[in-house]
Amino acid sequence: GNSVTQMEGPVTLSEEAFLTINCTYTATGYPSLFWYVQYPGEGLQLLLKATKADDKGSNKGFEATYRKETTSFHLEKGSVQVSDSAVYFCALAEPSNTGKLIFGQGTTLQVKP
Amino acid sequence: GAVVSQHPSWVICKSGTSVKIECRSLDFQATTMFWYRQFPKQSLMLMATSNEGSKATYEQGVEKDKFLINHASLTLSTLTVTSAHPEDSSFYICSARRQGGSYEQYFGPGTRLTVT
Repeated sequence: GNSVTQMEGPVTLSEEAFLTINCTYTATGYPSLFWYVQYPGEGLQLLLKATKADDKGSNKGFEATYRKETTSFHLEKGSVQVSDSAVYFCALAEPSNTGKLIFGQGTTLQVKP
Repeated sequence: GAVVSQHPSWVICKSGTSVKIECRSLDFQATTMFWYRQFPKQSLMLMATSNEGSKATYEQGVEKDKFLINHASLTLSTLTVTSAHPEDSSFYICSARRQGGSYEQYFGPGTRLTVT
């Protein structure tokens, strides 16, 4: 079945450090890929998305490229801020009528000043 | 645009009672809504998929008689936890998929349920 695997956290970085959170997926067909962010006590917010191979999603300095050859969608940011501290979820949408989302296990990012 | 609200944001109830959680798409019509459950420091577990005007589709292992889902209109879905027990305490999150839109889901802020 379809699945998403993220690197285990927590990830602790100093402010202005470079961030990479790895995400790989297993899927039949060509799913859409997403990164969601969850701040403490809140629901999920869409961070960025990519719908086909080689697409690059970007938002708020974060980027991720849909790599079909490596089945990956790694999240990167060149310079993190304390306000980026949150849990990040990689997800794929099953290419079906319902479009169910399959989530990775989430990666906690803590950025220290 | 694409705002989803949930009500209540938190609720405490006694064991054996029922609790209803509402999920509303405020500025768009949602043909499909999803209900998730999230345990502390864990990922989201899909409970059921709800389509307007039809019965919800439950994921394996989710008791449909315990978690009643109703999707009566294109902007409202409700989750009722019946005969709640302490093990039902969790963070419940809904999401909505825009009518005619892409696979993108818009999430509500979640409801914290505590059963005492």
